[in-house]
Amino acid sequence: GQQVMQIPQYQHVQEGEDFTTYCNSSTTLSNIQWYKQRPGGHPVFLIQLVKSGEVKKQKRLTFQFGEAKKNSSLHITATQTTDVGTYFCAGIKFSSGSARQLTFGSGTQLTVLP
Amino acid sequence: DSGVTQTPKHLITATGQRVTLRCSPRSGDLSVYWYQQSLDQGLQFLIQYYNGEERAKGNILERFSAQQFPDLHSELNLSSLELGDSALYFCASSPDRPNSPLHFGNGTRLTVT
Repeated sequence: GQQVMQIPQYQHVQEGEDFTTYCNSSTTLSNIQWYKQRPGGHPVFLIQLVKSGEVKKQKRLTFQFGEAKKNSSLHITATQTTDVGTYFCAGIKFSSGSARQLTFGSGTQLTVLP
Repeated sequence: DSGVTQTPKHLITATGQRVTLRCSPRSGDLSVYWYQQSLDQGLQFLIQYYNGEERAKGNILERFSAQQFPDLHSELNLSSLELGDSALYFCASSPDRPNSPLHFGNGTRLTVT
């Protein structure tokens, strides 16, 4: 079955430092989505990438989808304490009909030290 | 507010017991997903329903079952509970269009003692 690996599992950074989490799929994906889960909260959708090599930005967050559509990354520039949380990628494959298979990575738990 | 409602928020029960978790999806969403999240763990996919029919099954134990009703709300039944079943259980809904995201509820925290 489809597997989505995410590294690192944990990351501690000083406020103001950059942060990157990487997502790798065992198979070619149709799309990839990113979610953020604040401590004590529920996952919240951040963004979706669809095209090979796509790059999208949301303020200090930069999302990339690999050329082969098997990997993705999320980069945060100059982290702030509000960035604390766990970041999940979710790889999506479409099967027969319109059914889609969505597989979450294991998440990267980000701690930002003030 | 995601629009997905999960009840109860907390549940404490003993080993061997049975519980039912309830989820009301966002208005208009036909798909409901159930996920299990243990302490500091990722999101383990359990099962998906679409418009009342089971669509996909993940790592759901035989002691667990789910259903989606005609009004689209869903219930996850956990029986013969074990200590290891203690976790946060999330429900998510989606209109299931190809590029639609999942909208998660606040979760039910189950503690088995």
